[in-house]
Amino acid sequence: IVMTQSPATLSSFPGERATLSCRASQDISEYVVWYQQKPGQAPRLLIYDASNRATGIPAKFSGRGSGTVFTLTISNLEPEDSAVYYCQHRYTWPVTFGEGTRVEIK
Amino acid sequence: DVQLLQSGGGLVQPGGSLRLSCAASGFSFSTYDMTWVRQSPGKGLEWVSSFRRSDRQSFYADSVRGRFTISTDNYRSVLYLEMNNLRAEDTAVYFCARALAVVTSILGHWGQGTLVTVSS
Repeated sequence: IVMTQSPATLSSFPGERATLSCRASQDISEYVVWYQQKPGQAPRLLIYDASNRATGIPAKFSGRGSGTVFTLTISNLEPEDSAVYYCQHRYTWPVTFGEGTRVEIK
Repeated sequence: DVQLLQSGGGLVQPGGSLRLSCAASGFSFSTYDMTWVRQSPGKGLEWVSSFRRSDRQSFYADSVRGRFTISTDNYRSVLYLEMNNLRAEDTAVYFCARALAVVTSILGHWGQGTLVTVSS
């Protein structure tokens, strides 16, 4: 299963909302996971099963979607939201990641 | 707190072997599924291998199957990745990760990563 993320890079101002897209090459129900990775750090789990926020993740991060189209929305962008965001499916083995979307804060 | 402390990376020649370790603490290691993920320099994340406790089954990416082996030492709470016949394309930062709960491939906790460089 191929996970395709868009855009590759997203640049927004503080306070704006960013919408990141992830498309699966086949129906994967709601089995999508989102991670945030900052430079030099390990990834951090944000959202699992399309829309469930992990413990400690603020409500500004929200996910939705099912089937083949998924989105991660980041509201009220702040400088610390600068990172690369990856989607991953867990529908079957092997699990695969998207190529990532880099979010830049202007 | 859940902690995953990695060690064992380094420089190895093509065709060589290396064993990565991931020492776990702060949770019952023997009850959680574990996974290895890698990231080539400047690239994205690539799933490598997972170990599922319920049926003791191991899963591997096609790119490493037959060369890498995932294993656990429940007494010492350590996850291993034995890597043989290493290739230049195996050069990456390797992360160990723990499942969030009962689902193997929701990776809720990650180690700090360890760099493996395959080069002559």
